[in-house]
Amino acid sequence: ETGVTQSPTHLIKTRGQQVTLRCSSQSGHNTVSWYQQALGQGPQFIFQYYREEENGRGNFPPRFSGLQFPNYSSELNVNALELDDSALYLCASSDRGARLETQYFGPGTRLLVL
Amino acid sequence: DAKTTQPPSMDCAEGRAANLPCNHSTISGNEYVYWYRQIHSQGPQYIIHGLKNNETNEMASLIITEDRKSSTLILPHATLRDTAVYYCIVRVYTGNQFYFGTGTSLTVIP
Repeated sequence: ETGVTQSPTHLIKTRGQQVTLRCSSQSGHNTVSWYQQALGQGPQFIFQYYREEENGRGNFPPRFSGLQFPNYSSELNVNALELDDSALYLCASSDRGARLETQYFGPGTRLLVL
Repeated sequence: DAKTTQPPSMDCAEGRAANLPCNHSTISGNEYVYWYRQIHSQGPQYIIHGLKNNETNEMASLIITEDRKSSTLILPHATLRDTAVYYCIVRVYTGNQFYFGTGTSLTVIP
């Protein structure tokens, strides 16, 4: 069984640029959720994708967008990067069909915006 | 918005039981309590979850009060590798969203 993987592990961008982060879900999982974790804080829910559509969104602006592909992998896109976007971005996958949808997290992508 | 309250930090002697409390007084009837831990900027690791009955697995035990307004995660024999931030989460059923608080930073002391 393959766990959740994310790429890249680290990334440095400058303010105003755009970034794409990638996530491969755990084998058998059809739902992907994205979280932002600032230093010293708990993860904050960005949005969730199921069947290639957004299925729930936290308090994040539209410049945070995502995609889910037929193989259930997912991308998080952030446009017009701001300094406060510097954070650890976590992806979690789950099985919508399971009785209990436990989320399993990847190792994260650490983004630094200069 | 997080629906849980946890102490910011706790210490535990190695080999002793670590008891981590969580308050979730506004929990709804169909909302589960989940516990995760995060070791120094790695991805959160699932520990255990429960609805109203006490639960036990190979990692920990979860004790939920009868009124479901609070719970306690028990690590029966804490080791140095259990040093981490522990998050108690109430899973909002609609949208399967997990709302994390700031967690409890547990330090296991040799």
